[in-house]
Amino acid sequence: KQEVTQIPAALSVPEGENLVLNCSFTDSAIYNLQWFRQDPGKGLTSLLLIQSSQREQTSGRLNASLDKSSGRSTLYIAASQPGDSATYLCAVMSSGTYKYIFGTGTRLKVLA
Amino acid sequence: ETGVTQTPRHLVMGMTNKKSLKCEQHLGHNAMYWYKQSAKKPLELMFVYNFKEQTENNSVPSRFSPECPNSSHLFLHLHTLQPEDSALYLCASSQEPAASTDTQYFGPGTRLTVL
Repeated sequence: KQEVTQIPAALSVPEGENLVLNCSFTDSAIYNLQWFRQDPGKGLTSLLLIQSSQREQTSGRLNASLDKSSGRSTLYIAASQPGDSATYLCAVMSSGTYKYIFGTGTRLKVLA
Repeated sequence: ETGVTQTPRHLVMGMTNKKSLKCEQHLGHNAMYWYKQSAKKPLELMFVYNFKEQTENNSVPSRFSPECPNSSHLFLHLHTLQPEDSALYLCASSQEPAASTDTQYFGPGTRLTVL
């Protein structure tokens, strides 16, 4: 049974810092992995999707990497801004299931 | 706006009430999903519909009854709920669940409180 863990649960950083959010999963037989952002009381917004055959994806200041063999993904945020403050969720789709298993998220606060 | 709308945004109901949550997607997608998000817990998939057919029921109690009349609309009918059912209920849609590049688009959610 796939389990997804995100560390840290909460993070507070000053504006301008580069930061890394971590996601680990127990079953390496995955179809893809997505990083989402959730603002308080709102739905999720997809940030990056990494297919199982890929090692990383980039969008603007965001870079996500995937290491299937070790069951890990990282989300790198460069030059953080207060507008980046949100909860970041990692979701893994195991092969053959076509459904996502979510982590509990990392709550990020970027201080101005 | 993601192209997925949910109504109502907030709902308070007693344990004996019957209510329905509505989701509509304007993206031309084929699949729709219901998720439950409780405090301190990971997002849980409840139901999946693909081309109006239910393809996933994640052991959800029968007091939650989904309905998908067409690919654009999804309902969640609620009856005799328990206080522990209080949560944020999120709807999502996607084009093709079996595609490795499939991305889910989420609505803003309905905050449900059961008294």
